[in-house]
Amino acid sequence: ETGVTQTPRHLVMGMTNKKSLKCEQHLGHNAMYWYKQSAKKPLELMFVYSLEERVENNSVPSRFSPECPNSSHLFLHLHTLQPEDSALYLCASSQDHENTGELFFGEGSRLTVL
Amino acid sequence: LAKTTQPISMDSYEGQEVNITCSHNNIATNDYITWYQQFPSQGPRFIIQGYKTKVTNEVASLFIPADRKSSTLSLPRVSLSDTAVYYCLVGGGGYNKLIFGAGTRLAVHP
Repeated sequence: ETGVTQTPRHLVMGMTNKKSLKCEQHLGHNAMYWYKQSAKKPLELMFVYSLEERVENNSVPSRFSPECPNSSHLFLHLHTLQPEDSALYLCASSQDHENTGELFFGEGSRLTVL
Repeated sequence: LAKTTQPISMDSYEGQEVNITCSHNNIATNDYITWYQQFPSQGPRFIIQGYKTKVTNEVASLFIPADRKSSTLSLPRVSLSDTAVYYCLVGGGGYNKLIFGAGTRLAVHP
């Protein structure tokens, strides 16, 4: 138990569906992140939020839309995805976004796009 | 941006000490060195972090030479449950430096 909870753990969707991934942290942290991990690839940083404000968008396609309503919750809205978007999506949090590298990760949401 | 280089894979046996070295030649003055462990289909888990010299906790030790251009994660007496991917992360003072490399896939055999 890392203090970061992601739901759902598994999601299968068609290319025309709209779905959302949810992340909640119970650590009192101020920064939250979305990472993508494709098979046999390093983790890719997608988005960074600090105090509910997006501070980084790492050239992510617009079919991925993040939302951070408060410092404890982070969403990733998905629409019109492609099969190559199938991956493990990991949420993480840290004390603040200018940190020394200590991240707390959730278990991930395994996404399959058909 | 400090790039890291680690061996792609390593093999060991139960009860042995395992040392995984990471090279980071262009590490910046304010960068920290952090190691993570990841099991399949799970998020990475923080193991240890250091800035210089040696750091030890209940699961591992981290050795950093004076020039800080490399670091070595030491896992004492590994068990089968230590089979995982280990990532060396160099960064600090900015989220945009939190870039993961390819990691080292450690396999522990009976």
